[in-house]
Amino acid sequence: NAGVTQTPKFQVLKTGQSMTLQCAQDMNHNSMYWYRQDPGMGLRLIYYSASEGTTDKGEVPNGYNVSRLNKREFSLRLESAAPSQTSVYFCASSPGPIPNGYTFGSGTRLTVV
Amino acid sequence: ILNVEQSPQSLHVQEGDSTNFTCSFPSSNFYALHWYRWETAKSPEALFVMTLNGDEKKKGRISATLNTKEGYSYLYIKGSQPEDSATYLCASLDRNYQLIWGAGTKLIIKP
Repeated sequence: NAGVTQTPKFQVLKTGQSMTLQCAQDMNHNSMYWYRQDPGMGLRLIYYSASEGTTDKGEVPNGYNVSRLNKREFSLRLESAAPSQTSVYFCASSPGPIPNGYTFGSGTRLTVV
Repeated sequence: ILNVEQSPQSLHVQEGDSTNFTCSFPSSNFYALHWYRWETAKSPEALFVMTLNGDEKKKGRISATLNTKEGYSYLYIKGSQPEDSATYLCASLDRNYQLIWGAGTKLIIKP
């Protein structure tokens, strides 16, 4: 099925561990995004990639790194996980850099203990 | 940073009743307003993108209006059904192409 595929769906990490969240889209979209969702708050942008080869910080980039591996794939890395990074993470894509309706992945529920 | 407010935070509605809720956003530097529907354990799904003052969009029993001068949008659901239970998110896009999200309105339809 066409869309945004995000893995893993669930993950528990110990403080200080690292991990990479994977995201791939097969809609030939140029732009991809990583968001986090915390209770009572709106989605907050961590990093985005307006097009292949570019990445930019969003509202809450600290503690994260990203890689736009190719047009399809955009990964999010936590180098040294902290409990404050416990959240639900969503990857999304849009045809161009002006978000005219995102397609979201199914989310990753991450718990850092 | 723009501030997008959604009200109410949560809403219980009897099956068959109609309902509406609000998204407020700063009207200055406005470019577009997005509505999404987010069911539990699924990913948010785009409902509407609106740009012009007075825009009205409709998808089945769900419709939305936009007032860019005063900075609000209403989402209406006519004849609520159990499958309408979800969190409804709005997001405001400004002319710097920065998209700011509201915290959502959680709608629960009681059979």
